[in-house]
Amino acid sequence: EPEVTQTPSHQVTQMGQEVILRCVPISNHLYFYWYRQILGQKVEFLVSFYNNEISEKSEIFDDQFSVERPDGSNFTLKIRSTKLEDSAMYFCASRAGGGELFFGEGSRLTVL
Amino acid sequence: DQQVKQNSPSLSVQEGRISILNCDYTNSMFDYFLWYKKYPAEGPTFLISISSIKDKNEDGRFTVFLNKSAKHLSLHIVPSQPGDSAVYFCAASYTGTASKLTFGTGTRLQVTL
Repeated sequence: EPEVTQTPSHQVTQMGQEVILRCVPISNHLYFYWYRQILGQKVEFLVSFYNNEISEKSEIFDDQFSVERPDGSNFTLKIRSTKLEDSAMYFCASRAGGGELFFGEGSRLTVL
Repeated sequence: DQQVKQNSPSLSVQEGRISILNCDYTNSMFDYFLWYKKYPAEGPTFLISISSIKDKNEDGRFTVFLNKSAKHLSLHIVPSQPGDSAVYFCAASYTGTASKLTFGTGTRLQVTL
């Protein structure tokens, strides 16, 4: 069964460092998303991406965040200068034309 | 701004009985609702969805009910099984937002033997 894959599964970084989280969405999907879940809190929308551009972003997704799809298969989330409060589980998701989102298993980011 | 609320953080049900998970929403523009199940250290897994033009959708042991006037939906699991023990998230979206999902805070379901 096709699935969304994410790497790394866990990353530990120092505050102020840049982090790149990688995702390989399901191959025929057209819409791509990043969500995050801070420990004990709800899953929050960060950004949606379609046709090689951001279609919507939340207030959380400030100038420190960026996304790109550099090679038609990977979908990356970059955090330019990490803060302690960026520690969370980051989920990539994708969907085809309509219907439900399929989520990856997540990348746990720990900022020290 | 909690547009989607799950007021019960946890629920314990005996195996074989019915589990009822509830969700309320405030944004009347939501027209598509989903339930996701999540195990620790895994991503959310889609369970079942319902469009606002329906009031019920059934898939095997899972049934979702939508009451638009009350802005309320519920997920029924019958019969409950130990493997159903997980955190269940209600989510909602509306047309024109590229299916951005707004999630509730989740309900932890424990199915006991």
